[in-house]
Parts: sequence; structure tokens; C-alpha cells
Amino acid sequence: AQSVTQLGSHVSVSEGALVLLRCNYSSSVPPYLFWYVQYPNQGLQLLLKYTTGATLVKGINGFEAEFKKSETSFHLTKPSAHMSDAAEYFCAVSEDTGRRALTFGSGTRLQVQP
Amino acid sequence: DSGVTQTPKHLITATGQRVTLRCSPRSGDLSVYWYQQSLDQGLQFLIHYYNGEERAKGNILERFSAQQFPDLHSELNLSSLELGDSALYFCASSERGAGSYNEQFFGPGTRLTVL
Repeated sequence: AQSVTQLGSHVSVSEGALVLLRCNYSSSVPPYLFWYVQYPNQGLQLLLKYTTGATLVKGINGFEAEFKKSETSFHLTKPSAHMSDAAEYFCAVSEDTGRRALTFGSGTRLQVQP
Repeated sequence: DSGVTQTPKHLITATGQRVTLRCSPRSGDLSVYWYQQSLDQGLQFLIHYYNGEERAKGNILERFSAQQFPDLHSELNLSSLELGDSALYFCASSERGAGSYNEQFFGPGTRLTVL
């Protein structure tokens, strides 16, 4: 069975500061990992994904994440926060089996202070 | 805009009633997934259809059912509604082609309120 743990349900940073959102996963097979963002009253938008290959993945809006197998982690970072980054962020895992549904973490709400 | 559409956007109904939520996947996508987002349970996978056939079930209640039609749109039927069924229901679609993993594109969701 697969699972995702997101540390910190709320993270607050100042505009221009580093953003670090933590995600640890559990999977019995090599995982596919995703970060999604949800703005208020909207659906989920894919930020980035790791499937195979390079472990440092770059996504949209300046976000990136690094897959670390030894630490079973897939933390999301952005060097400089912008006010428009305020949203809820979800880490998700899927296994390359017949079942490709996503298992989501509980989400981290990012607040950006001016 | 993900290309996935869901109707209605909002739905308010009473306990014991039955509702149908509709999802149209992106053009060409064969897979449709349904997810439920609630405050206490978070985002949970309900069911996956591929080209009209059920492929996987998650935490879907027996009171809930789904189907995918020949034109690939999908419907999620919720019956004998309870207060706890109030949630945001998302559908997502993907191509599920051979080879590399295909990402899921999410619709805007249907917000269901059971009174």
C-alpha cells in the first residue's frame, strides 16, 4: 500500500523567502510522485512530476522538487516566494501498476506575507 | 483550463436524496478518475474507469456508483445521501497510453451540500 505524509499543514513565509514544503512517501514499488496546487474554489493543477530519470524535477511557476529514494522524500522548493503562490499544495504518489489512482497527502496551506 | 468539465458546479440537496454528477474528460482521454475532497478525509480516490470499463475502486461507498459511457463522459451517482457526503467531488482524466505514465488533469469540481 502507498501513502504520503506532508509535514506541516500550514506554512507561512515572507515574500521573497525560500519556500520548502515537505513530502515523504511510502510505496512498495518505485513510485511516481506529483505535486499539485489548488487555488481557492478551483481544481487541482499539476506543478511537477517525477516518473523516472533525473531526480531533480523542475515544474511551473519556478517550483522544483528532488526525489530522494534513500530518504523516501519529494520536497517542493521555490527560491523566492511570490504573493501569488499562496494556495494549498498536495503531494501525491502513484504506482506503475494497473491501478494508477493518486494517493494524496493531507495538503499544506502556504501563506505568503508581504 | 484543464479541458475537463464537470457539471453542475454546485449542488444542494437533502438527506436521503439521490444526485448525479457529470464529467467530460479532455478530448482523447480514455481514463476517468473520481475523487472526493472533504475536510475530515482529505482527497480520496473513489473509482477509475478506462474506455467504459471499471479498472479500480478506492474508498467508494456502496451507496455510490459510477459509469463511463461510449462517448467517454462519466457519471457519479450518489444515493441515500447523508450529511457526511457533503464534499467537493473531482474528476480527472488521462490518456493512459502505452509506455510512460500519463498525468491526470483535474476538472473544477462539483461542490455537494447535503442539508
